[in-house]
Amino acid sequence: DAGVTQSPTHLIKTRGQQVTLRCSPKSGHDTVSWYQQALGQGPQFIFQYYEEEERQRGNFPDRFSGHQFPNYSSELNVNALWLGDSALYLCASGGNTGLALSEQYFGPGTRLTVT
Amino acid sequence: AQTVTQSQPEMSVQEAETVTLSCTYDTSESDYYLFWYKQPPSRQMILVIRQEAYKQQNATENRFSVNFQKAAKSFSLKISDSQLGDAAMYFCAYRSNTGNQFYFGTGTSLTVIP
Repeated sequence: DAGVTQSPTHLIKTRGQQVTLRCSPKSGHDTVSWYQQALGQGPQFIFQYYEEEERQRGNFPDRFSGHQFPNYSSELNVNALWLGDSALYLCASGGNTGLALSEQYFGPGTRLTVT
Repeated sequence: AQTVTQSQPEMSVQEAETVTLSCTYDTSESDYYLFWYKQPPSRQMILVIRQEAYKQQNATENRFSVNFQKAAKSFSLKISDSQLGDAAMYFCAYRSNTGNQFYFGTGTSLTVIP
């Protein structure tokens, strides 16, 4: 059983560019959450997708957007990149009922560097 | 918004000894979940243990156990018989029973000394 997978592993972009990160959830999971983890910090919630819609959003600007596909995989898009967007981006998947509702399994992350 | 505080940026423990990592949180809710996650240098966050707030009994998972003090809003992690593979960053996290967002602390870096 493949866990949560993310691509790419590393990415280098220039200020002002746009980036798309991808995530495939763990088998059986239908919710996908995205987190930004700056160096030396804990993960910060960006948003969560369920049934192809953004269900909840953290305190991030509209430059951060996402999408969930019918197979539950998800993309995170960031427009007009700033230097401050440099971070590890984590994807987490979970279920929507019972105990699975309280769990999140994380992927290995995508390290984004903005120069 | 809920806040999670980990006041120990770094901790160290001798191999085979016991160590306790501290976590406090702030919430006005009565029903929620608390978690400890481990993040080794490989970056992947791994769930260590989970506690439901409505359960009075402290959760245990093999060498890992928690001391959940609901009134004090405290949730510490005890690692017994520490192993070299336990070296990692440990994050405490909170999730409301009504929301979908996890709130994380700033982490505690654990070093295991051979």
